[in-house]
Amino acid sequence: DGGITQSPKYLFRKEGQNVTLSCEQNLNHDAMYWYRQDPGQGLRLIYYSQIVNDFQKGDIAEGYSVSREKKESFPLTVTSAQKNPTAFYLCASSAGETQYFGPGTRLLVL
Amino acid sequence: AQSVTQLDSHVSVSEGTPVLLRCNYSSSYSPSLFWYVQHPNKGLQLLLKYTSAATLVKGINGFEAEFKKSETSFHLTKPSAHMSDAAEYFCVVLNYGGATNKLIFGTGTLLAVQP
Repeated sequence: DGGITQSPKYLFRKEGQNVTLSCEQNLNHDAMYWYRQDPGQGLRLIYYSQIVNDFQKGDIAEGYSVSREKKESFPLTVTSAQKNPTAFYLCASSAGETQYFGPGTRLLVL
Repeated sequence: AQSVTQLDSHVSVSEGTPVLLRCNYSSSYSPSLFWYVQHPNKGLQLLLKYTSAATLVKGINGFEAEFKKSETSFHLTKPSAHMSDAAEYFCVVLNYGGATNKLIFGTGTLLAVQP
């Protein structure tokens, strides 16, 4: 069953804590992306990776970090430097122009 | 730079009536355009895409969109709304250039379907 999985579905962060969101794909796509979605806004690009061991900042990378050690995996860490982390986070992958999205992780701050 | 504008933040229709969700784009070259749908607390699902082939694009679940260069529009339509169509819809343009092609999202249109 091919697709993109994200875990957990809900994540709670305490003040000053780093948290990591998981994204896995078995579509054999080279490119992967992380987006942030806030109410009433479209998606904004945080980081993207075109190939293993390479990634680039998107439009709102401050306070976030990523790694791409395997083709299938693109985890996103929300660091304590991100002062407003509450949002819905979506991971996507692509092999061409079309991006396919995972189900999302909702991050809440305690 | 590419951009899209979704002209309505909320649209409400009755079940069985037509749906029209409006999108205008700005592009310095022939764009690639997409419509995605998002149900509450879910990821985005691709409805359809335009990539300079036929101007009338048919998608899933009975949706279609027409690319009109003269009007710089890419409106999404469906002849008869179903309750399950209630969701948020995003018009998206592909921004070419640099190390990757980035998607530029509209702010979304929330579609409500009344029984």
